[in-house]
Amino acid sequence: NAGVTQTPKFQVLKTGQSMTLQCAQDMNHEYMSWYRQDPGMGLRLIHYSVGAGITDQGEVPNGYNVSRSTTEDFPLRLLSAAPSQTSVYFCASSYGDRVVTEAFFGQGTRLTVV
Amino acid sequence: DAKTTQPPSMDCAEGRAANLPCNHSTISGNEYVYWYRQIHSQGPQYIIHGLKNNETNEMASLIITEDRKSSTLILPHATLRDTAVYYCIVSPDNYGQNFVFGPGTRLSVLP
Repeated sequence: NAGVTQTPKFQVLKTGQSMTLQCAQDMNHEYMSWYRQDPGMGLRLIHYSVGAGITDQGEVPNGYNVSRSTTEDFPLRLLSAAPSQTSVYFCASSYGDRVVTEAFFGQGTRLTVV
Repeated sequence: DAKTTQPPSMDCAEGRAANLPCNHSTISGNEYVYWYRQIHSQGPQYIIHGLKNNETNEMASLIITEDRKSSTLILPHATLRDTAVYYCIVSPDNYGQNFVFGPGTRLSVLP
């Protein structure tokens, strides 16, 4: 049982490049989300999904796209990378139910945009 | 979502109890109190959550005041591995958890 797996762990992009951050979970969780964490700050929600085919915006969605074609995967796409997107990105998953449960976080992707 | 207020940093001697306070004076009736921690730059780790009653698990205890305006996370016997940033979050019982993370409390456990 791998939990929440994020790839890659590190990435350097040039301004204007696009890329996809991968997130996969093997716990059959319906709910998945993406956060970013800037130095010395807490996490901020980018996008989330309550199930396959359903996504919605969080607090800081601009410059990012998501899709949810399967229960297991929730990729985050950077359309045209900017230095302001330099951050650590965390993916999380949990049971998608009104029952309160814990969220499981991946180990993060450290992205630098130069 | 309700906001939380936590002290920016705390120290605790190894082997002693660590008591981390959190103020959430504007919490709503359907909002739970969650505690997570982040060790170094790893992904946050769930610790405990509660609604009204005090809760205990293998990691910690959560004490919620009767008016629910504040809570305390207790690590009964802190170890060096408990050094981390601790986040207190309030969130309603909707789908998953759209958490609002503040800056948290940086707990340093000292030998």
